[in-house]
Amino acid sequence: AQKITQTQPGMFVQEKEAVTLDCTYDTSDPSYGLFWYKQPSSGEMIFLIYQGSYDQQNATEGRYSLNFQKARKSANLVISASQLGDSAMYFCAMREVVGYSTLTFGKGTMLLVSP
Amino acid sequence: DVKVTQSSRYLVKRTGEKVFLECVQDMDHENMFWYRQDPGLGLRLIYFSYDVKMKEKGDIPEGYSVSREKKERFSLILESASTNQTSMYLCASRPLDRVGETQYFGPGTRLLVL
Repeated sequence: AQKITQTQPGMFVQEKEAVTLDCTYDTSDPSYGLFWYKQPSSGEMIFLIYQGSYDQQNATEGRYSLNFQKARKSANLVISASQLGDSAMYFCAMREVVGYSTLTFGKGTMLLVSP
Repeated sequence: DVKVTQSSRYLVKRTGEKVFLECVQDMDHENMFWYRQDPGLGLRLIYFSYDVKMKEKGDIPEGYSVSREKKERFSLILESASTNQTSMYLCASRPLDRVGETQYFGPGTRLLVL
C-alpha cells in the first residue's frame, strides 16, 4: 500500500495566485515527520518545509506553509503568491521513527506557473 | 554550506557493462542513500548505509550493489547494466537520528543504458 499519495499529477496556477498541492499519508507510527521538496528541471532536490507529527502549529517557511490535518492524515503544501520560478516538480515525503527511518516519497506533482 | 557531489551528471553505457556511480558528502553524515527516479514513480530507495561498511536494502535493490569503504563516499554499482536501469539516480546524506533533519541531495546522474 502506498504510504504517501499525491493525487494531482499536474497543477496550473497563474502568477501571484496561491496554490495548494495535496499530500496524504498512511502510518501507524505516532511519531513521524513530513517533508516537502521542490525539484526544478535542473534536477536538484530542494528542501522546502518540515512538519513533525507532534508539532502543534502548522509549519511555515516564507511563502510556503504546510496545512497539517493529523486526523485526516493530510499534509498539503500551500504556496502563496506564486512566481514563475515556482514551476517545478514537488514531492511530499514521510519519515517514520521506527527502524532505520528512511524517507518514503510520493510520486510528485508538476506545478506550472503562467504569467 | 553542505555539499553532496556525484561523479557524473550524464552517463551513457552499453548493456552488460559494469557501471559505478560515486557519491561524496563533506558533512560527516552517518547516513547515505541511493534513489532512482522515474517519471510517474517518484523516488524509490535502492540501498542505504548508516555506517561505514554497513548497507541495507531499500525497496528496489535487485540488479544493484553498493559499497561504503569510507564515511564520506557511497558507491552504487550496476554489475551488468540493462536498459531498464536507464533512469535518474540521486544520492543523499543525512546526520544520524535527527527526525526533523532533511536529507541533502546530490545533483543527480542521468544514466542511459543502450
